Parts: sequence; structure tokens; C-alpha cells
Amino acid sequence: DIVLTQSPDSLAVRLGERATVNCKSSQSVFYGSDNKNYLTWYQQKPGQPPKLLIYWGSTRHSGVPDRFSGSGSGTDFTLTISSLQAEDVAVYYCQQYYNLPLTFGGGTKVEIK
Amino acid sequence: QVQLQESGPGLVKPSQTLSLTCAVSGASLSTGGFYWSWIRQRPGKDLEWIGHIYNNGNTYYTPSLRSRVTISLDTSKNQFSLKLTSVAAADTAVYYCARARKYILGADFDYWGQGTLVTVSP
Repeated sequence: DIVLTQSPDSLAVRLGERATVNCKSSQSVFYGSDNKNYLTWYQQKPGQPPKLLIYWGSTRHSGVPDRFSGSGSGTDFTLTISSLQAEDVAVYYCQQYYNLPLTFGGGTKVEIK
Repeated sequence: QVQLQESGPGLVKPSQTLSLTCAVSGASLSTGGFYWSWIRQRPGKDLEWIGHIYNNGNTYYTPSLRSRVTISLDTSKNQFSLKLTSVAAADTAVYYCARARKYILGADFDYWGQGTLVTVSP
């Protein structure tokens, strides 16, 4: 199984400042045949299901604000919130879809400082 | 607008079978390009993919649960179901159904149900 390790477990950021969440994969999730990274980011607010934010490692899903961006390739990925808003308080998860079983990272809780 | 809604008992006794159904609206289970999936989230925060089913009935399960899990499709009712046998306290979780977008290698999840808490307790 591919293991995804997220860091940090939690972080507190001031409103308007940058938040960065990391996701490290135990093996590469880059598929050379289509030149894509098979990694997705989700946002989960309390009492709600996860919401798709970013796929292919860096493509924003429809309706996702442009303050959210994804970067990285192979085994190391980053989700960045460029200017944290109050509504961004949530737990963020990465997920790989390079192979089965599909696996998720352990989550990173983002809070307001 | 695609919507998914889980239903089923919120309390199951140990060693019994957990059965959940996911009703889908706004999309047809017969349409290709998507898997219909179950994911659970145990108390705390870990998300665990349980398995999914395609419109041709092909199923894929996570290895750790494969011996106890069955996912089935009812296209006439546009719903799919999860059965998990021989449950124990460790199966207590919020169970989500979700639509997964099928790619060459795997799938990601673009629509989720609200989730249903299933507690395993005597």
C-alpha cells in the first residue's frame, strides 16, 4: 500500500497569512505515460464530508478559490492557502489514486492563530 | 447536481452484519466513467477507502476488509449498498458513500454523501 504522511499534524496561522500543508508519499505517484501526478487534496470542515479541492496534484476543482494551490511531483506535495480566511478552518487530507488500495494521509488541522 | 444519501441502522451488535444503502440522485449508476464507493472515518480523523463498484458490477475492495465486505449495485433503484460482516468495535465509524471519477490508474472522489455514524456495541 502507498503510505501518505502529512505534516504538520496541525498549524495555526493568522488571518491573511499563508498556510502550507505537506504530503509525502512512500512511493512516486507520478505516471509517466500521461505525465500526471495521481494525488488529490480534500478539505473537511466539522460535521461535513470531505470536499475535493485539488486533483492531479495541482489542478483546482471547479469553484475552489484561487487562494488554494497545489504543487509538487513524485513523492512530495504541498497544499498552500495563500491568504487564510476564517472559512478555511478545516482538516486537509491528501489522497493518492496511483494504485489500489486508494489511501489517504492522516490529515492536517488548520486553525486561526 | 449529484446527491448521495446514506441510510441504514446506526447501531449494530458485535459479530452481526452492517448494511448500508446509498441513494443517488442527479446521476445514473449505469453511466460509465465513475465508480460508486464506500469510505469510512473512524473516531479521530483517519479516512479509509473500503471499496467501490463499477456499472458492470466489477468490485474492488481494500485488502484488509476484503474477506468481510460486499458492495452491490441496484440500477433499477439507482442505489448501491455495503455489507460488512462480523463487525467489531473497531468498525465503529462514520460511513460515507461517494462518487469516484475513474482514471487510467485509480479514482478520486468528487461527490460525497453526508455520512452516517454506525456504532458497534452490544
